Amino acid sequence: EPEVTQTPSHQVTQMGQEVILRCVPISNHLYFYWYRQILGQKVEFLVSFYNNEISEKSEIFDDQFSVERPDGSNFTLKIRSTKLEDSAMYFCASSVPANTGELFFGEGSRLTVL
Amino acid sequence: GQNIDQPTEMTATEGAIVQINCTYQTSGFNGLFWYQQHAGEAPTFLSYNVLDGLEEKGRFSSFLSRSKGYSYLLLKELQMKDSASYLCAVRDLGNTPLVFGKGTRLSVIA
Repeated sequence: EPEVTQTPSHQVTQMGQEVILRCVPISNHLYFYWYRQILGQKVEFLVSFYNNEISEKSEIFDDQFSVERPDGSNFTLKIRSTKLEDSAMYFCASSVPANTGELFFGEGSRLTVL
Repeated sequence: GQNIDQPTEMTATEGAIVQINCTYQTSGFNGLFWYQQHAGEAPTFLSYNVLDGLEEKGRFSSFLSRSKGYSYLLLKELQMKDSASYLCAVRDLGNTPLVFGKGTRLSVIA
């Protein structure tokens, strides 16, 4: 069964460092998303991406965040200068704009900022 | 804005039935989703409702009343492996991203 894959599964970084989280969405999906989940809290929307551009973003997705689809398969989230409060599980998801339009989530990348 | 409410925690006995409620307020509506999330894992899709009524899928059923802004997830014949968080999520309009509630942590006990 096709799945969304994410790397790394866990990254530890120092405050102020740049981090890139990588995702390979399901191949025939057209919408891509990043969500985050701080430990013990709810899953929060960050950004959606369609047709090679951001379609929506939340207020969390400020100037320190960026997304890119550098080639036909990868979808990346970059955090320019990490803060302690960026520590969270980051989930990539993808969907097709048909049927239920359900989101398929990757296993997540746990980011720890020290 | 959007507001999604569900109970924080529930406990139920193995073999029993449990109903997890969700109420929502959104400016538009294009579907309500239930996801299951085991601790430390990704959410996995359980069910989708866009029209009023009950959708049944094996041991899991989900109900929607759009006029009341209300949904529930019904789990029958509970098993220990059903211990997880159950996330209610709503799509506002079109293909906008899903907005999740805080989740209900269900503990199934023997």
